[in-house]
Amino acid sequence: EPEVTQTPSHQVTQMGQEVILRCVPISNHLYFYWYRQILGQKVEFLVSFYNNEISEKSEIFDDQFSVERPDGSNFTLKIRSTKLEDSAMYFCASRGRTGAEDTQYFGPGTRLTVL
Amino acid sequence: LAKTTQPISMDSYEGQEVNITCSHNNIATNDYITWYQQFPSQGPRFIIQGYKTKVTNEVASLFIPADRKSSTLSLPRVSLSDTAVYYCLVGERTGRRALTFGSGTRLQVQP
Repeated sequence: EPEVTQTPSHQVTQMGQEVILRCVPISNHLYFYWYRQILGQKVEFLVSFYNNEISEKSEIFDDQFSVERPDGSNFTLKIRSTKLEDSAMYFCASRGRTGAEDTQYFGPGTRLTVL
Repeated sequence: LAKTTQPISMDSYEGQEVNITCSHNNIATNDYITWYQQFPSQGPRFIIQGYKTKVTNEVASLFIPADRKSSTLSLPRVSLSDTAVYYCLVGERTGRRALTFGSGTRLQVQP
């Protein structure tokens, strides 16, 4: 079964540093998403991306965040200057277009720890 | 967005049937009900989706009464591996838009 993959599984960084979280969505999927989950809290939507542009974003997704699909396979989330409160699990998800691929498929996540 | 209410936690034993009920009093006419499962340190996983009456797949059944103000996820004969958080979501069928997760129901299955 096709899967969304994410790298790294765990990232430790110093406050103020830039981090890039990487995702490889399911092949042929067209919609891409980032969510985050702070330890013990809800899964929160960050941003969705379709046709090479952001289609929806939440209040959390401020100027410190950016997303990119640099090639035909990767989808990245960049945090320019990390804060302590950015520590969380970050999940990438992708979605196909029609029929059985309507649901969002989530990756295993990247645990980001900001020190 | 329709607000959902679920029990915070449930306990069960292996081999039992587990029913998790979700209230969504303000569900809109076009809204579907979708359930996701999340294991510790993993991303949520789609389980089942329905609009009304009953839907069944290889994993679970979803019961939706006529007024659609609630729904019940039924897991037959749970095993230890079903220990997870279960989320009830209400929204458009296609899943194209952002998903809004609540706190979910933490199911603990005991041997």
